[in-house]
Amino acid sequence: GAGVSQSPRYKVAKRGQDVALRCDPISGHVSLFWYQQALGQGPEFLTYFQNEAQLDKSGLPSDRFFAERPEGSVSTLKIQRTQQEDSAVYLCATLGPFSNTEAFFGQGTRLTVV
Amino acid sequence: DAKTTQPNSMESNEEEPVHLPCNHSTISGTDYIHWYRQLPSQGPEYVIHGLTSNVNNRMASLAIAEDRKSSTLILHRATLRDAAVYYCALGGDMRFGAGTRLTVKP
Repeated sequence: GAGVSQSPRYKVAKRGQDVALRCDPISGHVSLFWYQQALGQGPEFLTYFQNEAQLDKSGLPSDRFFAERPEGSVSTLKIQRTQQEDSAVYLCATLGPFSNTEAFFGQGTRLTVV
Repeated sequence: DAKTTQPNSMESNEEEPVHLPCNHSTISGTDYIHWYRQLPSQGPEYVIHGLTSNVNNRMASLAIAEDRKSSTLILHRATLRDAAVYYCALGGDMRFGAGTRLTVKP
């Protein structure tokens, strides 16, 4: 596809359940970012990949959050033992090979933990 | 990390210009200034970016202060479709603040 694709669009999880959120970047985009956006708030940075290397994971809120991008393309954000406070929209964004150009965002995955 | 501060909200009348400010006093010399906006239920979309000189594109203009510690996104004629949350972000680390919620009144 032409844009960043995230799946699923919506996910309802029971508290304590593990979830996996997928991001398909634009082909050739080297940099990939994950964000968590709570209702009414701005996107909060979670982690950043350059190709398959996770260069910054300082925004991950706890060790229940884990992200990977094993082949430098598709990325998965995994949340273990979900809690109600994990309910948010999770956004993925990718940047092309040249620095300081525009980022493209996916539509996000809305996670609701019940 | 460089940080940005923006007003929480602004209002504009349709067809009038809007000036959205952003302060970034700790910006480094190589940080670009990026602006994105987010419509309801959508991911953010790129608006404009710049380094030192003012920039124009089909969506907006970006005015950058001489000391680069602040910038202003200018929408020349606001339309109802411009109602969104506007974010400024610095450099390649793509960290966002709370943004400015722009309301456009008909």
